[in-house]
Amino acid sequence: DIQMTQSPSSLSASVGDRVTITCRASQSISRYLNWYEQKPGKAPNLLIYAASSLQSGVPSRFSGSGSGTDFTLTISSLQPEDFATYYCQQSYRTPWTFGQGTKVEIK
Amino acid sequence: VQLVESGGGLVKPGGSLRLSCEPSGFIFSDYYMSWIRQAPGKGLEWVAHIGSSGSPIYYAESLKGRFTISRDNARNSLYLQMNTLRADDTAVYYCARERYYHDTSVYLRYFDYWGQGTLVTVSS
Repeated sequence: DIQMTQSPSSLSASVGDRVTITCRASQSISRYLNWYEQKPGKAPNLLIYAASSLQSGVPSRFSGSGSGTDFTLTISSLQPEDFATYYCQQSYRTPWTFGQGTKVEIK
Repeated sequence: VQLVESGGGLVKPGGSLRLSCEPSGFIFSDYYMSWIRQAPGKGLEWVAHIGSSGSPIYYAESLKGRFTISRDNARNSLYLQMNTLRADDTAVYYCARERYYHDTSVYLRYFDYWGQGTLVTVSS
């Protein structure tokens, strides 16, 4: 199975901060990488697919980059509604696997 | 687009449960579908997926043999039959629609819509 490792596992940030979350795959997965946001008690919500394509309706402050084994999710200016847990997911090969999550908390 | 799961509940170890997912707002038979679970306080774990007409089917290796994914396009329903349940199967189970995307260098799938989840608790 392809292992996905996110860092950090959690972070504290303030409204307006630029936030970067990293995801590393255990082998090269080209751009077969998706990002989701999950708020407490809710289902995950797709943010980014194919490493850098913004899902329709997702604010432009979210962006993704990377290819191969190293990927990044960036929130350019953190908003109150962005405090959540973020997951990366590879769709290069089944079983699809997720990172362990990065919890973004209020500083 | 809506996905509504049902069938969760409390079951004893060794028992069985069948989850259902009812889609609306899109042509169900056009899409691959997946089940994904999340144990309490833990991350996301993909369980299985099924092609638009019932194949292909793939499972997480650790669940193969105990869980069976199926669909009935005529009834507009997705199912997950879970047998020989264990305490570590306790989780919220989500159904999710798979969308595919392709460009010159990738052909990938992602989960664009998720249900609200149904809680399965395995305990004596």
